[in-house]
Amino acid sequence: QKEVEQNSGPLSVPEGAIASLNCTYSDRGSQSFFWYRQYSGKSPELIMFIYSNGDKEDGRFTAQLNKASQYVSLLIRDSQPSDSATYLCAVNGWSSASKIIFGSGTRLSIRP
Amino acid sequence: EAQVTQNPRYLITVTGKKLTVTCSQNMNHEYMSWYRQDPGLGLRQIYYSMNVEVTDKGDVPEGYKVSRKEKRNFPLILESPSPNQTSLYFCASSLAGDGNQPQHFGDGTRLSIL
Repeated sequence: QKEVEQNSGPLSVPEGAIASLNCTYSDRGSQSFFWYRQYSGKSPELIMFIYSNGDKEDGRFTAQLNKASQYVSLLIRDSQPSDSATYLCAVNGWSSASKIIFGSGTRLSIRP
Repeated sequence: EAQVTQNPRYLITVTGKKLTVTCSQNMNHEYMSWYRQDPGLGLRQIYYSMNVEVTDKGDVPEGYKVSRKEKRNFPLILESPSPNQTSLYFCASSLAGDGNQPQHFGDGTRLSIL
């Protein structure tokens, strides 16, 4: 089992709709969770980070963390064509002592 | 401007010829890390450093060396590069040494080992 798993996609969502991206992780003691966006040929850039169970909202983005079920999700409201990118989930595991594990990413495509 | 700077951005070289990719950050960050990115595999951590003179292996350290003699610099060394190290490499840094803060990434270095 991979330590951090994401559906590779592509996930196709119509413009204006909600895009939902999911990530599961295996290290139950993981402490911090990150979502990065990566455009083709570019470096990852931070979208959201979350440490506690529940929801965290920033503009059109909401991160949701459920430690009991070991998943973290990212919701993008009012999706725009500029949101088309690969979204990377990253986890800092407790048992791995500051080692950061990335999922393989979900490719999101927003269709006009 | 706060940034992570990698050099070179592109390099084509041959098997066995030692090379160094430099990484420098100007944000006084404690945590620095190197990743490689290959199609379908996402970002895989090679080495990370929680502070000066403190480094540890990530998931794919074989064939790589690092050093952290100064807080701002974290070079990646390939002593004897091989074709399977052809990849896109990213350096990143974050404020806290425990890695629990968001990372800032460099622009990437595309290495081709022939």
